Amino acid sequence: GQQVMQIPQYQHVQEGEDFTTYCNSSTTLSNIQWYKQRPGGHPVFLIQLVKSGEVKKQKRLTFQFGEAKKNSSLHITATQTTDVGTYFCASNSGYALNFGKGTSLLVTP
Amino acid sequence: ETGVTQTPRHLVMGMTNKKSLKCEQHLGHNAMYWYKQSAKKPLELMFVYSLEERVENNSVPSRFSPECPNSSHLFLHLHTLQPEDSALYLCASSRIVATNEKLFFGSGTQLSVL
Repeated sequence: GQQVMQIPQYQHVQEGEDFTTYCNSSTTLSNIQWYKQRPGGHPVFLIQLVKSGEVKKQKRLTFQFGEAKKNSSLHITATQTTDVGTYFCASNSGYALNFGKGTSLLVTP
Repeated sequence: ETGVTQTPRHLVMGMTNKKSLKCEQHLGHNAMYWYKQSAKKPLELMFVYSLEERVENNSVPSRFSPECPNSSHLFLHLHTLQPEDSALYLCASSRIVATNEKLFFGSGTQLSVL
């Protein structure tokens, strides 16, 4: 299936700082989905991007899909302690949804 | 509450035991999935069911045996597991099996194989 690589693996920020995680592929992606998993929890769908260059916002979260559809990013402005968790990108290969390894975000008050 | 319920939440089993994981979805979805989540690895797709028919089997060892008696229920039967099978097993559902469908995950079963 299509492999998506995520960086960084871990990120530790002070509350109020910004955070960005990146998702990259060597091949063109049909779509990108982003999920959040709180510690001890399960992945929860955040958003899907399907168009080249697409940008979507959810409050302090901004999601982008690259022009070549080979990369995506999730940016959080002014992090809060409630943002703690692991953020996964995923992309379809056929109907199988393949996940990246995720970026674990820790926010210190 | 996601509408996808998994039981048990935790399971400890020996390598010679036989156990089953259960998943039930209350969303009216037609597709159900088993994923394995272990440390330092991405979520691994194991099985995909569409209206009780298995449509994907991702080279999973035969010691894992899925069963989907109807579109609301999914089981994962386990036998003669290995310690490396210890992981969080997540069930998910989607409206249909298709590209661009978002997944709804259950809370998972944390499995420890001794």
